[in-house]
Amino acid sequence: QQQVKQSPQSLIVQKGGISIINCAYENTAFDYFPWYQQFPGKGPALLIAIRPDVSEKKEGRFTISFNKSAKQFSLHIMDSQPGDSATYFCAASGTNAGKSTFGDGTTLTVKP
Amino acid sequence: ETGVTQSPTHLIKTRGQQVTLRCSSQSGHNTVSWYQQALGQGPQFIFQYYREEENGRGNFPPRFSGLQFPNYSSELNVNALELDDSALYLCASSLSLAGVETQYFGPGTRLLVL
Repeated sequence: QQQVKQSPQSLIVQKGGISIINCAYENTAFDYFPWYQQFPGKGPALLIAIRPDVSEKKEGRFTISFNKSAKQFSLHIMDSQPGDSATYFCAASGTNAGKSTFGDGTTLTVKP
Repeated sequence: ETGVTQSPTHLIKTRGQQVTLRCSSQSGHNTVSWYQQALGQGPQFIFQYYREEENGRGNFPPRFSGLQFPNYSSELNVNALELDDSALYLCASSLSLAGVETQYFGPGTRLLVL
């Protein structure tokens, strides 16, 4: 049973465009929702994270939107750049992010 | 770079064999988590060690076992390897104070079971 569903599986965006990746979760005990970026040959790296007491968090070009009632959250990448081309994973956990449940990933390609 | 290293980078084994993967945590981190990442999928939580004790396990059988050492390096052992064990194995270290937030992942060990 997959507890975190991520979409789309792949995404192609023009340079300067907005990339949007969505995730939905089932377990209401989750209260920490990070996004990770993974480049080929590397492990995932934390990009941005949110707790359910806020509906939006912005760090530079990256924004998380969180909808607690719908049990959904999304990552928005503004002004997408070719260097953003990577695989993005959403995840969810309780207070211990070391026991995270991950989505299946979105491969983002930003075309110059 | 995260300061988390893993060895070896690649490994080929045959079905039924045993394998040991190693992880060196970031300095000062007392918690390590291991994940299995199959091709085209997200990482799946195997187990976590905190101060040398297992601190939670995901949906993996007992043939997956681990150790954490006083210097916070750790091992993942897999016995009786199966073809489906072929995957990228990731360790992630963190500092557990009042919960764990930021995990720092190593580059992973890619295991191929033939």
